[in-house]
Amino acid sequence: TQLLEQSPQFLSIQEGENLTVYCNSSSVFSSLQWYRQEPGEGPVLLVTVVTGGEVKKLKRLTFQFGDARKDSSLHITAAQPGDTGLYLCAGEEGGFKTIFGAGTRLFVKA
Amino acid sequence: GAVVSQHPSWVICKSGTSVKIECRSLDFQATTMFWYRQFPKQSLMLMATSNEGSKATYEQGVEKDKFLINHASLTLSTLTVTSAHPEDSSFYICSARDRKGSANYGYTFGSGTRLTVV
Repeated sequence: TQLLEQSPQFLSIQEGENLTVYCNSSSVFSSLQWYRQEPGEGPVLLVTVVTGGEVKKLKRLTFQFGDARKDSSLHITAAQPGDTGLYLCAGEEGGFKTIFGAGTRLFVKA
Repeated sequence: GAVVSQHPSWVICKSGTSVKIECRSLDFQATTMFWYRQFPKQSLMLMATSNEGSKATYEQGVEKDKFLINHASLTLSTLTVTSAHPEDSSFYICSARDRKGSANYGYTFGSGTRLTVV
């Protein structure tokens, strides 16, 4: 079973600051997703990365998949209070099985 | 986009009773659905993989007789928590992916069910 290490586990920053969340594994994933979850709700898909070295942007969010498809990062520029939530990375093994990281709880203060 | 409806969103039951949670894919068909459990401030823990027309695959440590899964159609999977006890109280979430979809589509999650056993 592949493991996904996500860091940091908790992050509290001021509005306007930048931040990066990391997701690392010693194994290769066929694809990796990033989700955001708000309290009492299910996770919502932000992006899927498939190709090694791939970079995707979603407004102020930039996602990168490592060249070897073992790691990924999420960078948020000029964070806003609306970005507050639990960010989860999820790597897909063969056969549709998805492994979740422990999550990064982000709190952006106004 | 793909929508997964999960019902109920919350339920309170007495210890010893059973509770059924439904997970429906509204605009796509899913041969496989997943059931997760999430404890407060923690990540999702995969409980089982629900396969349409066949038995579910349970993760290690998950009691299949306690958490009954039925995937009778391509749009519906149910999780029944049998003889619930307070330690079963948790947030349960299902997810699914369009069977015609590729890895680029990711998974769609239900909104979750908050189960409280008293």
